[in-house]
Amino acid sequence: AQTVTQSQPEMSVQEAETVTLSCTYDTSENNYYLFWYKQPPSRQMILVIRQEAYKQQNATENRFSVNFQKAAKSFSLKISDSQLGDTAMYFCAFGSQAGTALIFGKGTTLSVSS
Amino acid sequence: DAGVTQSPTHLIKTRGQQVTLRCSPKSGHDTVSWYQQALGQGPQFIFQYYEEEERQRGNFPDRFSGHQFPNYSSELNVNALLLGDSALYLCASSLGGQGYSNQPQHFGDGTRLSIL
Repeated sequence: AQTVTQSQPEMSVQEAETVTLSCTYDTSENNYYLFWYKQPPSRQMILVIRQEAYKQQNATENRFSVNFQKAAKSFSLKISDSQLGDTAMYFCAFGSQAGTALIFGKGTTLSVSS
Repeated sequence: DAGVTQSPTHLIKTRGQQVTLRCSPKSGHDTVSWYQQALGQGPQFIFQYYEEEERQRGNFPDRFSGHQFPNYSSELNVNALLLGDSALYLCASSLGGQGYSNQPQHFGDGTRLSIL
């Protein structure tokens, strides 16, 4: 069974700084998908970024980028130029190629202060 | 373009009662997944419906059941409610047919269920 581990329960950063959130996972599959979701206090789960395991190039979406290390089963999220609106809980999630259940980590609460 | 909508927003029940939660998928999506999120935790997969059938089920008891209608909307039913069922219930929709396995799931705002 797949597992997702986020080892940082809480992190804090100042506006305009860069922060990296860690995620490791375990799977025996070769083709799969990894996601970072953001859940602000409004509670809607919002997709931040997605990575296909067969792609070596790291995904990037504006200020958000990932460092995907397939052999190490590591998938970290880097947020550049942090903004107050980035304050939220961030979840790393694993999706198999079959496209069914998402397996989530326990989340990292990120606080951005001015 | 309407996103995933869930109703009700909040619900309070007592132990032993039954509850039905509803979800309308994002326009164009045909697959609905349900997740339970306890306070301070990540979502846990309950089950997924595609073509009106349960395609995959997580580690939840039979008290949790669901249904998908021809218009792709879905219901989650929970019988004999326990205090531990108190949680945020999230619905997610996606395209689930063959060849769409890489499509991300889009989430609704959830239903907050409190059991007294």
